[in-house]
Amino acid sequence: GESVGLHLPTLSVQEGDNSIINCAYSNSASDYFIWYKQESGKGPQFIIDIRSNMDKRQGQRVTVLLNKTVKHLSLQIAATQPGDSAVYFCAENPYNAGNMLTFGGGTRLMVKP
Amino acid sequence: GAGVSQSPSNKVTEKGKDVELRCDPISGHTALYWYRQSLGQGLEFLIYFQGNSAPDKSGLPSDRFSAERTGGSVSTLTIQRTQQEDSAVYLCASSFGDRRETQYFGPGTRLLVL
Repeated sequence: GESVGLHLPTLSVQEGDNSIINCAYSNSASDYFIWYKQESGKGPQFIIDIRSNMDKRQGQRVTVLLNKTVKHLSLQIAATQPGDSAVYFCAENPYNAGNMLTFGGGTRLMVKP
Repeated sequence: GAGVSQSPSNKVTEKGKDVELRCDPISGHTALYWYRQSLGQGLEFLIYFQGNSAPDKSGLPSDRFSAERTGGSVSTLTIQRTQQEDSAVYLCASSFGDRRETQYFGPGTRLLVL
């Protein structure tokens, strides 16, 4: 069935390096995508979103890239800090699914000091 | 301002008992969502309320699960005759309701069914 998934379940990076977290989606009806960060014991926290009419969007230290051709989404974190250690989820919203989000399985980012 | 709050933060119950989980959304948010997150897994959609419209219950796993939202604000998720496989973190989120409005999550209720 249609799904959102992640290539790497765990990513370990050195503090100060850039991180790239990838996500593949298969629902061609999806036109809105969101990245969430979840720290241990907390609910997911919105990071950044992107609509399908864009291929790149930048926030503070984060950039989301969308490649609709290959149905691929990535989150880039610049100058990764220990506070970035968390599980990152991508989510998709098909245009015909109202407000319902479908979440991927998550990638754990571990930042080494 | 206050975010989404959920209570209790932790709940331990015995198999077969009923439980009620509460969610207080952000004031002014018309949409409210319940998700379930099993250990080490992603979020599974359960149910969605939007204003006075009939809720979207398409994600509820069985008829033991139900939810209501009183007065367009507080919501209660009820699990009847709990089973061990119901053990998970139950997350509530709210948004302004229009599609693509950011969903803000609460801290979740950790349910353990013994």
